Amino acid sequence: DAKTTQPPSMDCAEGRAANLPCNHSTISGNEYVYWYRQIHSQGPQYIIHGLKNNETNEMASLIITEDRKSSTLILPHATLRDTAVYYCIVRVARPDKLIFGTGTRLQVFP
Amino acid sequence: DAGVIQSPRHEVTEMGQEVTLRCKPISGHDYLFWYRQTMMRGLELLIYFNNNVPIDDSGMPEDRFSAKMPNASFSTLKIQPSEPRDSAVYFCASSLFYSEGADTEAFFGQGTRLTVV
Repeated sequence: DAKTTQPPSMDCAEGRAANLPCNHSTISGNEYVYWYRQIHSQGPQYIIHGLKNNETNEMASLIITEDRKSSTLILPHATLRDTAVYYCIVRVARPDKLIFGTGTRLQVFP
Repeated sequence: DAGVIQSPRHEVTEMGQEVTLRCKPISGHDYLFWYRQTMMRGLELLIYFNNNVPIDDSGMPEDRFSAKMPNASFSTLKIQPSEPRDSAVYFCASSLFYSEGADTEAFFGQGTRLTVV
C-alpha cells in the first residue's frame, strides 16, 4: 500500500484558511487521494477525493501537485467545528480497503 | 437512508465473556469494513467483506475475533473470550464497489465503545 506522511498537528484561526499538507511520494498512477476527518468520538467522515486534477466541493478544496507526490486539503474558512483529526489516504485500487495513518490534528481557535 | 447503524453504542463486559457487535450497512453497498480504534494504535482495519464474502481478515488480531456477514444487510463482529486489551471503539463502514469516477467513499457508523473489565 502507498503510504502518506502528514504533520501530527496544526493550528488555525477561526475564519482563516486551513491548509493541510500530505506527502504520498510512492503513489501509483491509478490511485486516488482521499481525505477523511474524525471529529472527537465520531466515525470518520468523508471530505473529498481526487486523482490528478484539483477538486472542490462544499466542504473543501483538494490541490494535487502535477507529479502527484503531494497534496493539500484546504478548508477555506475554518470554523471551531472543523477541529478534528484529518486523514490523507491513498486508495489502493484493488483491493478496496482504506488504510488510515496517524493524521493531522487540526485545532481551530477563536 | 439512515446511514451505517451499529449496535450497541456502548458495551461493558467482564473479562472472559463473549461480546457481539452488530452492523447494518447502507442499503446497496457492496463493501463492509470493521475497524478498531485505540489511542495507542489508531484506526486499524480488522476485516472487510465484498458481497458478503470475507476478502481480507489479516487485521484480525487473534482467533478470539471472528466476523460474519450472513446477508447484505447485517454483519457481526464477535470476541470470545473478551480481554481487557480488547477495550476500544469498533467502527463499521460500508461503501460501493471501487471504480474510476464513481462515488465510492466509505460511510462510517457511530461506533461501539467496548470496555472489558
